Amino acid sequence: GAVVSQHPSWVICKSGTSVKIECRSLDFQATTMFWYRQFPKQSLMLMATSNEGSKATYEQGVEKDKFLINHASLTLSTLTVTSAHPEDSSFYICSARGQGYDTQYFGPGTRLTVL
Amino acid sequence: QKEVEQNSGPLSVPEGAIASLNCTYSDRGSQSFFWYRQYSGKSPELIMSIYSNGDKEDGRFTAQLNKASQYVSLLIRDSQPSDSATYLCAVNMSPGANNLFFGTGTRLTVIP
Repeated sequence: GAVVSQHPSWVICKSGTSVKIECRSLDFQATTMFWYRQFPKQSLMLMATSNEGSKATYEQGVEKDKFLINHASLTLSTLTVTSAHPEDSSFYICSARGQGYDTQYFGPGTRLTVL
Repeated sequence: QKEVEQNSGPLSVPEGAIASLNCTYSDRGSQSFFWYRQYSGKSPELIMSIYSNGDKEDGRFTAQLNKASQYVSLLIRDSQPSDSATYLCAVNMSPGANNLFFGTGTRLTVIP
């Protein structure tokens, strides 16, 4: 149980384009989803928290207009990196948590490379 | 003061030995504690959760929690080379808190 998927697993795009990453909870309803970013050899950095049906809460220093998060259903959240630049190249990981639980289950991650 | 602190390592142990990973946290009201394992290039995977003082065993893994001293540890018995990874400690700081606080992780290397 508690499986979280992410799509795509990797993506290469040109600078200035937008990229959408999907995060799905496959066997449970995720009332809360989290988006993290991780640069090589660094720790996880929480970008934002999204609750189903409401606006995401962004961490300090994360541009909400650049990283658009939508959590329209209890099993799907999307992160769109708008006008991506090479410095946005990173490993993006989502996690999901069910209502009443405090355990987060992570997706396999999406490796974004912006040329 | 960081909310959750771990020794970054690297921690090296020979195959078959016990690996001991430690984590301290700042909020005395913390309720839930988690250990995740992250292989290089992969996302974290949950190993164990612990909520009460004492030991909790799951196979070769034992989590230990001491709320009075504000530390949580993970013991890996009969360490295997496949245990080589970064281990992340995560703490839910208060009931109903929206997020976990993660330590920076301890890199473990098990030497064959």
